[in-house]
Amino acid sequence: QAGLTQPPSVSKGLRQTATLTCTGNSNNVGNQGAVWLQQHQGHPPKLLSYRNNNRPSGISARFSASRTGDTASLTITGLQPEDEADYYCSAWDNSLSAWVFGGGTELTVL
Amino acid sequence: EVQMVESGGGLVQPGGSLRLSCAASGFAFSNYWMYWVRQAPGKGLEWVANIKQDGSEKHYVDSVKGRFTISRDNAYNSLYLQMNSLRAEDTAIYYCGGGLYEYWGQGILVTVSS
Repeated sequence: QAGLTQPPSVSKGLRQTATLTCTGNSNNVGNQGAVWLQQHQGHPPKLLSYRNNNRPSGISARFSASRTGDTASLTITGLQPEDEADYYCSAWDNSLSAWVFGGGTELTVL
Repeated sequence: EVQMVESGGGLVQPGGSLRLSCAASGFAFSNYWMYWVRQAPGKGLEWVANIKQDGSEKHYVDSVKGRFTISRDNAYNSLYLQMNSLRAEDTAIYYCGGGLYEYWGQGILVTVSS
């Protein structure tokens, strides 16, 4: 099953802003948007955002999500050392009747 | 506090079977879609299957269709994954979860190897 496309890695400086992208098609991202997950090494993923920038309780407002057409984006402002992690997007695909994931973006905070 | 605890993983030979279980607590289990997501060593996340609140609807990734079966028992707040005809490429940490990726277990390792 075709997945979503994410850049493998992004590097930004401390306190800078990082924007991670996730590209799909009209059957998935372009239809219902994407969810964003953060995963630190050795830990399960954690939900950051769902359904067009809804954040679960406890998630910092430094994390914001958006979508333009078939591409979803996650913007992280004021980067902190603890933001260094892998970030995944996922979306429900109407044509596949399945959830699809991106390959993940490794964020490095310099 | 939400807790999801997987069990039933381990080492199995190719062609063998395993049944994963997931015990959930701290949230209204019967109100949520539930899912299994896996992660091969050093790789990204892969959605495996999900199941509707009453078990009436199930979906699978193509690579496990016909081999894996997801089920649930709302009376016991439990989720299951029956895995048959296992292959080396099924080797991964398997996470159970609930809702829209809201709740996650710690994961359990399944290794398929001779």
